[in-house]
Order: sequence, then C-alpha cells, then structure tokens
Amino acid sequence: GEDVEQSLFLSVREGDSSVINCTYTDSSSTYLYWYKQEPGAGLQLLTYIFSNMDMKQDQRLTVLLNKKDKHLSLRIADTQTGDSAIYFCAESFTGGGNKLTFGTGTQLKVEL
Amino acid sequence: NAGVMQNPRHLVRRRGQEARLRCSPMKGHSHVYWYRQLPEEGLKFMVYLQKENIIDESGMPKERFSAEFPKEGPSILRIQQVVRGDSAAYFCASSPDRGEKLFFGSGTQLSVL
Repeated sequence: GEDVEQSLFLSVREGDSSVINCTYTDSSSTYLYWYKQEPGAGLQLLTYIFSNMDMKQDQRLTVLLNKKDKHLSLRIADTQTGDSAIYFCAESFTGGGNKLTFGTGTQLKVEL
Repeated sequence: NAGVMQNPRHLVRRRGQEARLRCSPMKGHSHVYWYRQLPEEGLKFMVYLQKENIIDESGMPKERFSAEFPKEGPSILRIQQVVRGDSAAYFCASSPDRGEKLFFGSGTQLSVL
C-alpha cells in the first residue's frame, strides 16, 4: 500500500540548515515532491525530483533521494524566519497521473 | 495568469445542510483534482476530473459526496447532509495535462456546526 511518513516537528535557528526527512513505501513512485504550506494558504510547490535521480539542487534547496532505502530529504540552507511553515512530501505513481500521496507534514519553526 | 481560484474561502454549515465548493482551474488547465485535509493530517486524494468526465473517484466517500467539472464554469464539489466529520480544508489543484505538475488553490475551510 501507499504510505508516506514524516516527522511532525523541526526547530532550527535562523541561518542554520534545516533537513526535513520523508520515507515512503511504494517503489513504483515516478516523481517525488516537496510542498510548502503557510498558515491559511494553499500548497506551494517548492521542488520535485524524478525517481531516477539522486539529487537536485535549486538555490537554497537540495533534494536527496535514496531509492534503495525509500528515503527523501529536503535541505534548506541558511534558513530564514520566512521559511517557517509546514512542509509536505508527496509521491506520484506510474499510471497514476497526478494522484499524489502526501505525508502528514513537518512543521518547521525557525527561531531567532 | 491567475492561479487556481477556490471559493468560498470559508464555509460554515449546520449539520444536515448542503455544502458546495467551487474551483476554477488555471487558464488552459483541463485537469482538476480535489483533496481533503483533515486537522493535523496530510492531504488525501478525493477525485480527479477532466472536462465533463470523472476519471478517478477512488478517494471519494461512497455517499453524500459528488463532484463535477462541466464544459463551462468551475468544478464543483458537493457534500449533501453534512456532518461534523466533514469539517476539513478542501483543496483543488489543476494541471494542463495528465502527468504534469499540480498547482493548488488556497483551499476552502469547511466548518460544520
């Protein structure tokens, strides 16, 4: 079955790096995504990675994918207070179109 | 190019009433998805529609819930005879084609009293 797990909370100091982790169970994933949700807002697509890639970097964001361990991580360099939000990982499947399975979300709190 | 527009932003209903949630996809997008987010949970897929067709409704509750995406106008998620357990944030997303990235709306927060 499809199951995506994330730790619930992460607290970091401003300027430090944040690493948000995600594990998934279905090996037929095609794309894996990271979304950001700020209070009262919809989901903002931050970045995504194709399942045959190991790493993707986009400015302050680095996505690492370990397909063998079914582990996905999002690293945010130089974390700012504006990065405080809930971060969701999600996966889509071959033949599933854009039917995404989301994790429960990680609440990132950035402290001064 | 406006994003995915959902309205209302907040909807309050009493038990037994009907809730109608509207979603206008981004311009040029003909694929619409509805997701539900219960308190402190991730989003759960409900239904995937193309114009005038339901493609996948495997996440829809069997009773009281229905969705449509007519040839003209927004997609509608309809919940009949709402119960307190229907209280959640309902998000709509659209994409230009199957397999393309999703763009999400800001959601409709449904509260059932």
